[in-house]
Amino acid sequence: NAGVMQNPRHLVRRRGQEARLRCSPMKGHSHVYWYRQLPEEGLKFMVYLQKENIIDESGMPKERFSAEFPKEGPSILRIQQVVRGDSAAYFCASSPVGTGSYEQYFGPGTRLTVT
Amino acid sequence: SQQGEEDPQALSIQEGENATMNCSYKTSINNLQWYRQNSGRGLVHLILIRSNEREKHSGRLRVTLDTSKKSSSLLITASRAADTASYFCAAPHGSSNTGKLIFGQGTTLQVKP
Repeated sequence: NAGVMQNPRHLVRRRGQEARLRCSPMKGHSHVYWYRQLPEEGLKFMVYLQKENIIDESGMPKERFSAEFPKEGPSILRIQQVVRGDSAAYFCASSPVGTGSYEQYFGPGTRLTVT
Repeated sequence: SQQGEEDPQALSIQEGENATMNCSYKTSINNLQWYRQNSGRGLVHLILIRSNEREKHSGRLRVTLDTSKKSSSLLITASRAADTASYFCAAPHGSSNTGKLIFGQGTTLQVKP
């Protein structure tokens, strides 16, 4: 049973470009969470999605960031017009149920560098 | 807002010693979870302790939870060099039950061989 997959593992973008980060949850999991980790810090929640629905986006910046989890295919976190401050590690996690009562399974992360 | 705050921020011990990390949180919780992160990698779930539990064991790990003090501790016994990693506590956001986890800043553990 493959774990949570994320790609790319490393992504370099110039300021102003778009970044697309992909996440395939574990088989059988329909709940996906995105977190961002700045250097030497803990993870910060960004968004929680179920298939075709955004459930909680309270951690998403109001502009330039969007997320989706279509019926078919991976979840995508999109960052438009990237700035240097977007440089961070972005982690996706999945769980079989959408409550805080269960562990989350994390992917290896995508490390975004904005030059 | 930070749900979990951990101390110490960094801990360095010799192989074979025990390591204790502490986590304090602010609001009432349903459960508290501990994760490990090796350098440059994703997080691995270690243990989940529910609010009605006081202590839980998993191999060399022992977690305690004191809801009256809003604190938890993670004890790693007989540490190994492979335990070198960052350890994070996390708890579900207080006012929602959507699985949104709030993480502490983490404790960086170095185990010297």
